[in-house]
Amino acid sequence: AQSVAQPEDQVNVAEGNPLTVKCTYSVSGNPYLFWYVQYPNRGLQFLLKYITGDNLVKGSYGFEAEFNKSQTSFHLKKPSALVSDSALYFCAVRDMPRGNNRLAFGKGNQVVVIP
Amino acid sequence: DTEVTQTPKHLVMGMTNKKSLKCEQHMGHRAMYWYKQKAKKPPELMFVYSYEKLSINESVPSRFSPECPNSSLLNLHLHALQPEDSALYLCASSQESSAGWTGELFFGEGSRLTVL
Repeated sequence: AQSVAQPEDQVNVAEGNPLTVKCTYSVSGNPYLFWYVQYPNRGLQFLLKYITGDNLVKGSYGFEAEFNKSQTSFHLKKPSALVSDSALYFCAVRDMPRGNNRLAFGKGNQVVVIP
Repeated sequence: DTEVTQTPKHLVMGMTNKKSLKCEQHMGHRAMYWYKQKAKKPPELMFVYSYEKLSINESVPSRFSPECPNSSLLNLHLHALQPEDSALYLCASSQESSAGWTGELFFGEGSRLTVL
């Protein structure tokens, strides 16, 4: 089955510093990869996706992610973190062998941006 | 602001009650989803409707009963729930097209359910 792994439970970063949230994937075939963010007491919000094309994908709120096929990674990055970026971040992959309309989510990373 | 609206935002029910969660979207999406999410955990897929037909049921207990009255509405009927069913229930929608599924889900803010 397709899967993603988010190795860290929590990422702490000082405001203004670069933010990286790690994700590695395991798929058969070409991966469809996604990042979602969940702010406190809210639903998930789509940030960005990689399907094909440029390895560097730009998304909402100044986030970007780099698809690295050799390292099977899709890390989320932001050059300068804001306190308002504190949230739960989920990496996801399209779970194609199990049919359409399924995403396999990683366990999530809590990001804490320290003022 | 989310374009997927869920009501109620909070619901407390006893194990013998019958209640319903409602979801509405006006983006013209033809796929709608119910997810269950426990605190700090990833969402777990429960049901998917595609063009108003149930296409995925992830072996959800029958005490949860989904309904899709039309392309904009999705309900989740609840009956005889257990305390362990307490969770955030998220509705989502996505486009369906001849090009296939893009994987971009639009989530509502959720209905927080507590079963006593």
